[in-house]
Amino acid sequence: EVQLVESGGGLVQPGGSLRLSCAASGFTFSSFEMHWVRQAPGKGLQWLSYISARTGVTYYVDSVKGRFTISRDNAKNSLYLQMNSLRADDTAIYYCAREGPDDALDIWGQGTMVTVSS
Amino acid sequence: DIQMTQSPSTLSASVGDRVNITCRASQTISTWLAWFQQKPGQAPNLLIYKASTLETGVPSRFSGSVSGTEFTLTINSLQPDDFATYYCQQTYGYVKTFGQGTKVEIK
Repeated sequence: EVQLVESGGGLVQPGGSLRLSCAASGFTFSSFEMHWVRQAPGKGLQWLSYISARTGVTYYVDSVKGRFTISRDNAKNSLYLQMNSLRADDTAIYYCAREGPDDALDIWGQGTMVTVSS
Repeated sequence: DIQMTQSPSTLSASVGDRVNITCRASQTISTWLAWFQQKPGQAPNLLIYKASTLETGVPSRFSGSVSGTEFTLTINSLQPDDFATYYCQQTYGYVKTFGQGTKVEIK
């Protein structure tokens, strides 16, 4: 079964750091570009970041540039999001998603909740 | 970055209705647009990609169309399972922005 499973969410104080992980299974992870998307409570979806399949090319939404870092380990079939200098408005469910052959995000994880609060 | 303007934000409809949701791109994106359905407590689910191609397993009452930079998701004969929030997403570049979402409610 094709699957993505996020982990690493939790409660963190403002200014703190957190590292999210996304474990992939059921497909050749190293062949697919990957993304992170988040959803604040009661709000819409926000695209956050992209990483290429093998070359390490990355892109970010302006609001997280310089604070968040996307990375991957193809040998471990895993995607990561290192989040630093966290703010209250980073509170959200964080989803990892696979970019399918037609450039759409076709497989999503169940999400992991990040709460930034003192 | 490309901006996506989705409307309406909320739509009230009855079972059996035909509904249309619109997304307008801030620049030409050809047919690089996807539509997602999201139900409370669940991850988004891909419905349509490349503006009009139905993802495998999606009912044929869902369809997508495009005219210039305006994209439309149509749901024919709305079913109880279709009451949810729908998002468009441009897939033109690496930065894949979403529309604001449309909540389809029971009238």
